[in-house]
Amino acid sequence: DTEVTQTPKHLVMGMTNKKSLKCEQHMGHRAMYWYKQKAKKPPELMFVYSYEKLSINESVPSRFSPECPNSSLLNLHLHALQPEDSALYLCASSQDMVVAGLNEQFFGPGTRLTVL
Amino acid sequence: GENVEQHPSTLSVQEGDSAVIKCTYSDSASNYFPWYKQELGKGPQLIIDIRSNVGEKKDQRIAVTLNKTAKHFSLHITETQPEDSAVYFCAAAVNTNAGKSTFGDGTTLTVKP
Repeated sequence: DTEVTQTPKHLVMGMTNKKSLKCEQHMGHRAMYWYKQKAKKPPELMFVYSYEKLSINESVPSRFSPECPNSSLLNLHLHALQPEDSALYLCASSQDMVVAGLNEQFFGPGTRLTVL
Repeated sequence: GENVEQHPSTLSVQEGDSAVIKCTYSDSASNYFPWYKQELGKGPQLIIDIRSNVGEKKDQRIAVTLNKTAKHFSLHITETQPEDSAVYFCAAAVNTNAGKSTFGDGTTLTVKP
C-alpha cells in the first residue's frame, strides 16, 4: 500500500459544529503532516507529527486540534470554524521528517471543507 | 525566513514542445528542492527533487537543474504531453527539516494537443 487516504472527501459544516478529518497511511512512515490549501495557492503547513509527537505547530488557531492516535493515523479536529477556514485540507506522510533521503512527502487527495 | 519565487505563473505549450519553470530562493541554508505536480482534484505529487550536492538530476522526460551560487533551480519537461497539464509547485527546505518546505506560488501548465 503506497498511498495516503483521507476521509471525508467533502465536508460542509456550520460555525458551531464539531467535526474531524481523518488521514491514514500504511507505508510505515513516521512523520505525518497537515496542510491547508486555498484555491490557486500553494499548500501551507499547519502541523507536523514525528514519531507520534507534535513537532511543528505553525501558530495555527486553537479551533484546529491535531491528534495522532498511532503511527498510521492522523486526525484534525475542527470546532467553531470561520468561513475563511474553507479550503482543501491535505495530509502527507514521509518515512522520516529530518533524515535526508527519507523525507520525501506523499500527499493524500485532501478533504474539501466548506464552512457556512 | 525563506522566500521562493516561481515563474511563470501560467505556461501554455504545444504537445511535443519543452516547458521550463524557474524558481529562485533566498535562504542559502536551503539544500533540498522538491517539485510537485498537482492535478485537478488531487493532492500534490512529488515528481522530482534535487539536493544541493548535485547540479542536475534527470528522470525520463523530467529534469531539474540547480545553481547554488545564483540561488535558482529549474524544472524542464521535454516532449510534453496533454497529461502533463497541471499546476506545478517548486519548494525549498533545509534538508534536515524538510517538513518546513517553503513553496513557490505555482505554475499552471497547459499542454495543447
